[in-house]
Amino acid sequence: GAGVSQSPSNKVTEKGKDVELRCDPISGHTALYWYRQSLGQGLEFLIYFQGNSAPDKSGLPSDRFSAERTGGSVSTLTIQRTQQEDSAVYLCASSLSSPYEQYFGPGTRLTVT
Amino acid sequence: KQEVTQIPAALSVPEGENLVLNCSFTDSAIYNLQWFRQDPGKGLTSLLLIQSSQREQTSGRLNASLDKSSGRSTLYIAASQPGDSATYLCAVRPNTGFQKLVFGTGTRLLVSP
Repeated sequence: GAGVSQSPSNKVTEKGKDVELRCDPISGHTALYWYRQSLGQGLEFLIYFQGNSAPDKSGLPSDRFSAERTGGSVSTLTIQRTQQEDSAVYLCASSLSSPYEQYFGPGTRLTVT
Repeated sequence: KQEVTQIPAALSVPEGENLVLNCSFTDSAIYNLQWFRQDPGKGLTSLLLIQSSQREQTSGRLNASLDKSSGRSTLYIAASQPGDSATYLCAVRPNTGFQKLVFGTGTRLLVSP
């Protein structure tokens, strides 16, 4: 069966531009998570969705970061006015529900120049 | 605040050796602990998940143990192979706000033929 997919796999953008990262979870998984992996910070939690609502947004680093999920499926992470410190790999994971095992996608490598 | 530490940060062994990777966490109030492997440029692959009520889990040549009261987990890899070369991450799911995983910084393993 299909796993978690993310697009694009790589994104290079100029400082100040907006970017959208997409995550397609495993079919039937109601919980969806975004994490960020950067050299200096390791792997950090960003936001958690249960269905279309986000009960935990505590990891979003600033108000330039937002995310939504529609139809209980696809999620989009948007970063506005990108900064160089936003450069990282953004990983998405899904699970049947919380707190079941999370399955990760391949990630999107974001480079802000 | 939960903190997860992995020792060693890097490990290089010849093929065939048995090895142990260590993970420690500061708050024993966890729901479960998960071990992942990450290949360069790839996402995370779940290896083993141990519930807080369990002491160990086994899958093939891998065995993970959990001592919740002392805040420790070990991942034992038997008869290591070059294909085991990867970064190994442990992650705990706290009992409170238990949706998100808190990750260690990883152990980078190289198995030489």
